[in-house]
Amino acid sequence: QQPVQSPQAVILREGEDAVINCSSSKALYSVHWYRQKHGEAPVFLMILLKGGEQKGHEKISASFNEKKQQSSLYLTASQLSYSGTYFCGTDLGSQGNLIFGKGTKLSVKP
Amino acid sequence: DAGVIQSPRHEVTEMGQEVTLRCKPISGHDYLFWYRQTMMRGLELLIYFNNNVPIDDSGMPEDRFSAKMPNASFSTLKIQPSEPRDSAVYFCASSLRIYEQYFGPGTRLTVT
Repeated sequence: QQPVQSPQAVILREGEDAVINCSSSKALYSVHWYRQKHGEAPVFLMILLKGGEQKGHEKISASFNEKKQQSSLYLTASQLSYSGTYFCGTDLGSQGNLIFGKGTKLSVKP
Repeated sequence: DAGVIQSPRHEVTEMGQEVTLRCKPISGHDYLFWYRQTMMRGLELLIYFNNNVPIDDSGMPEDRFSAKMPNASFSTLKIQPSEPRDSAVYFCASSLRIYEQYFGPGTRLTVT
């Protein structure tokens, strides 16, 4: 049931773009995206719900393909502060009990 | 708002001892979640509450683990007796309905 994230790790130069993918084998009610910096707690980025509703930070964009049970997080014009591990969490039944993927480690270099 | 508050931030204990982790959610939030994070297993949901009522505890690894939420502003996660494999970072998170979860700073537990 754990969603699969890809890639596992990515290294970028400042200003470059990246896409992080999240795939589930189960039908999803929602997908949540979080970023965690080393030694810190996960921080909410975005939620995408079945039916098209989205809620999140303005500078973050993501998509949710309900038919394929896939979501993608788009990071454009990356900044050093984007570095961290990105997790997707999937919710099967609108209760908010998330199953998190193993994470994608993003490193942005100057 | 002060955010989600957890205590202690670090706990070192010996195998067999009882450990109690504490969490104060954000005022007004109706969901509270307990997670455990390790390198091997990642971020796992242990249990969650809605309006102080436990909804799903299927993630609690063993009977050694128990959680309570006596009121809307306080929750505890207890491990008794503790074992070395319980060593992890334990996060508490709260949310309003099922939207964004706000995580506390975590408690780093080391069981020797």
